[in-house]
Amino acid sequence: NAGVMQNPRHLVRRRGQEARLRCSPMKGHSHVYWYRQLPEEGLKFMVYLQKENIIDESGMPKERFSAEFPKEGPSILRIQQVVRGDSAAYFCASTQKVAQGDIGFFGQGTRLTVV
Amino acid sequence: AQSVTQPDIHITVSEGASLELRCNYSYGATPYLFWYVQSPGQGLQLLLKYFSGDTLVQGIKGFEAEFKRSQSSFNLRKPSVHWSDAAEYFCAVGATMNYGGSQGNLIFGKGTKLSVKP
Repeated sequence: NAGVMQNPRHLVRRRGQEARLRCSPMKGHSHVYWYRQLPEEGLKFMVYLQKENIIDESGMPKERFSAEFPKEGPSILRIQQVVRGDSAAYFCASTQKVAQGDIGFFGQGTRLTVV
Repeated sequence: AQSVTQPDIHITVSEGASLELRCNYSYGATPYLFWYVQSPGQGLQLLLKYFSGDTLVQGIKGFEAEFKRSQSSFNLRKPSVHWSDAAEYFCAVGATMNYGGSQGNLIFGKGTKLSVKP
């Protein structure tokens, strides 16, 4: 859905570099979710943020990964010192409120390739 | 722990034929259940959802799904498939605070890829 904008669509990084993935939620949405899709796998929850707060980061790897959703601007998923295993599609979704957990649309994703 | 199983990795049906995609879940209480569709190179779009009430839910694009508690299943159906339905379909269950999760924390199956032949 064009409403949730992710960029870049494709990102190539060498091992050891940093990757920054951006997600602009739909207008009026203040809840953002990041998911990762490894090849041949379903999506795996990483983190749930509201403006300026991390609500649930139970799916985030403990090291090298961080996420933020500042008061102004997009949400950022940051991966430091990338490794080949970080190659995946990263999807972002947003909601206006958290009612019963349904998420209508995910963005088109950022496909990260680590070489 | 909650889990979702989609037994069929790849299904091929003829255009105009009926379709059923299987989904089984493991969950201790009444689950929140979802079906999503992902077209190539695109994000996921919600087709339909079940929270409570009528066990047969209608979704977009002519899809429906039936929640069967006794079988722990939430199979997706469509009476007549169109070529544009070729995509990957994901079943998901909503985690809840009881499992340490939060609303919006969905557990996805590995997906079923649907091919449609003319």
